[in-house]
Amino acid sequence: GQQVMQIPQYQHVQEGEDFTTYCNSSTTLSNIQWYKQRPGGHPVFLIQLVKSGEVKKQKRLTFQFGEAKKNSSLHITATQTTDVGTYFCAAHTGGFKTIFGAGTRLFVKA
Amino acid sequence: NAGVTQTPKFQVLKTGQSMTLQCAQDMNHEYMSWYRQDPGMGLRLIHYSVGAGITDQGEVPNGYNVSRSTTEDFPLRLLSAAPSQTSVYFCASRIDRVGSSYNSPLHFGNGTRLTVT
Repeated sequence: GQQVMQIPQYQHVQEGEDFTTYCNSSTTLSNIQWYKQRPGGHPVFLIQLVKSGEVKKQKRLTFQFGEAKKNSSLHITATQTTDVGTYFCAAHTGGFKTIFGAGTRLFVKA
Repeated sequence: NAGVTQTPKFQVLKTGQSMTLQCAQDMNHEYMSWYRQDPGMGLRLIHYSVGAGITDQGEVPNGYNVSRSTTEDFPLRLLSAAPSQTSVYFCASRIDRVGSSYNSPLHFGNGTRLTVT
């Protein structure tokens, strides 16, 4: 079945450092979504990428969708303690299912 | 709007017991789904439904049953609980735009933490 690989599994950063998580699929995706889950909470939608090579920004967060629509990344510039949580990519190949990556847990030390 | 409501928040079962996890949404979403979340494994799709009367299997359907008699409700049934079903369960829904080639964002409930001893 469809699989989405997400790395790294976790990352510790000092506040102010940058952070990046990567998502890769062996199949071409119709679109990819990113979610954030705070500790003890539920996943919350951040953004959706649809077009090949698409780049979207939300303040300090930059999201990219690969040219081949098989990979994506989320980059956070100058992390803050409020960025703590687990970031998930969620992929679609055109069907009804939304398949999530394993997530990257971000720890930020003040 | 309450969004997606899950009950109960916590549940402890003994091996072999049965129970139903409830999920209701008030957003008139056609699509509803169940995920389980285990450490290091992300969110894995159990079952999903694209509308009342229609359900299908996800990645890890074994040991779980679902039904969708109304648009609002999508209960998840554990017929004979096993320790391997200890997990956090999330219900999620979304609106599906007819003719769209991509899926809309999912709205998640607050989850049910289930422990099977």
